[in-house]
Amino acid sequence: DIQMTQSPSSLSASVGDRVTITCRASQSISSYLNWYQQKPGKAPKLLIYTTSSLQSGVPSRFSGSGTETYFTLTINNLQPEDFATYYCQQSYSNYRTFGQGTKVEIK
Amino acid sequence: QVTLKESGPALVKPTQTLTLTCTFSGFSLSTDGMRVSWLRQPPGKALEWVARIDWDDDKFYNTSLKTRLTISKDTSKNQVVLTMTNMDPVDTAMYYCARIPSRLGAFDIWGQGTMVTVSS
Repeated sequence: DIQMTQSPSSLSASVGDRVTITCRASQSISSYLNWYQQKPGKAPKLLIYTTSSLQSGVPSRFSGSGTETYFTLTINNLQPEDFATYYCQQSYSNYRTFGQGTKVEIK
Repeated sequence: QVTLKESGPALVKPTQTLTLTCTFSGFSLSTDGMRVSWLRQPPGKALEWVARIDWDDDKFYNTSLKTRLTISKDTSKNQVVLTMTNMDPVDTAMYYCARIPSRLGAFDIWGQGTMVTVSS
């Protein structure tokens, strides 16, 4: 199975900051990388699919980039509602796998 | 409006078989390229993909769980059913179902989840 590794596991940031989360795949997954946001007690929400395509309704301060084995999620101008846990997930293989998550906390 | 809702027992005993049902609306699993997956999340831990069934009845299972899993669909009822045998306390988790349209390849709509606790 393809292993997905996110870093950092957690970070503290302030409203208005720019935040970058990294996701690495154990093998090339081309651009088949998706990002989700999860708030406590809620189901995950799709933010970005195939590396950089913004899901409908997601604010443009979220962006994604990368290719092959290295990907990033960037949140510009961090807002109070963005404090959550973020997961990357590969859709290259039929056997989907997720990163371990990155918790974005208020500084 | 697309919705999915999970249902099943909240508590199962070790060694028992778990049966979960995902009932959805707003789309058809007969549509070319449509897929539905089950996922789970133990308390305080990361998401884990469990199984997937496709419009053409192709099925895929988590490698580490596949001997215990069966996924099926009833297109007329708009339901996907997951059975997991030989339940263990480590299987305690929130279980979600989610839709995967082929144009996205991602889980775009999720159910609210159903919490399953495995305990004697």
